[in-house]
Amino acid sequence: RKEVEQDPGPFNVPEGATVAFNCTYSNSASQSFFWYRQDCRKEPKLLMSVYSSGNEDGRFTAQLNRASQYISLLIRDSKLSDSATYLCVVNENRDDKIIFGKGTRLHILP
Amino acid sequence: DVKVTQSSRYLVKRTGEKVFLECVQDMDHENMFWYRQDPGLGLRLIYFSYDVKMKEKGDIPEGYSVSREKKERFSLILESASTNQTSMYLCASSPSWATNEKLFFGSGTQLSVL
Repeated sequence: RKEVEQDPGPFNVPEGATVAFNCTYSNSASQSFFWYRQDCRKEPKLLMSVYSSGNEDGRFTAQLNRASQYISLLIRDSKLSDSATYLCVVNENRDDKIIFGKGTRLHILP
Repeated sequence: DVKVTQSSRYLVKRTGEKVFLECVQDMDHENMFWYRQDPGLGLRLIYFSYDVKMKEKGDIPEGYSVSREKKERFSLILESASTNQTSMYLCASSPSWATNEKLFFGSGTQLSVL
């Protein structure tokens, strides 16, 4: 089983819709989780951390499900500017190893 | 804002050349990283450094070396470039091990080896 898995997409979603995607991780001892956003030909940038209690930042909500070993990202009222690749990042509790998922591509359609 | 600067945005080199990729951060971060990113393979860690003159191998160190003589600068060296090293190279830094997941990336160097 791969360490961190994401559906590569692309997810083609009309503007204004709600979209969600998940990321699964294999190491149950993983301690911390993040979503990064990467625009085409640009560097990844931290979007939000994922806490056990879940967290929300405007239109974005991140959830952690430890029992099933996945994290999720929900985007409400999607905007054209949300089009990007979303990278799931997991910090395994082994030598602070940081694992990047390969990313999920999201296209918001006008 | 944290600034991580990579010396070149695009670079074209020939097979067998020695290549230096430079990265400088201006926020006194302890940790620095070099990744390469390839379509379908995602981000892969080449080397990282916790402190000046310290270096650790990542997942794919073969064919690469690094140098960290000063805290703010982390250099990636391709001793003898090969065509399979054509890739996007991303440098990153983070404040400390307590916050090492909060990586700040440079804008990347697209290296083509002909």
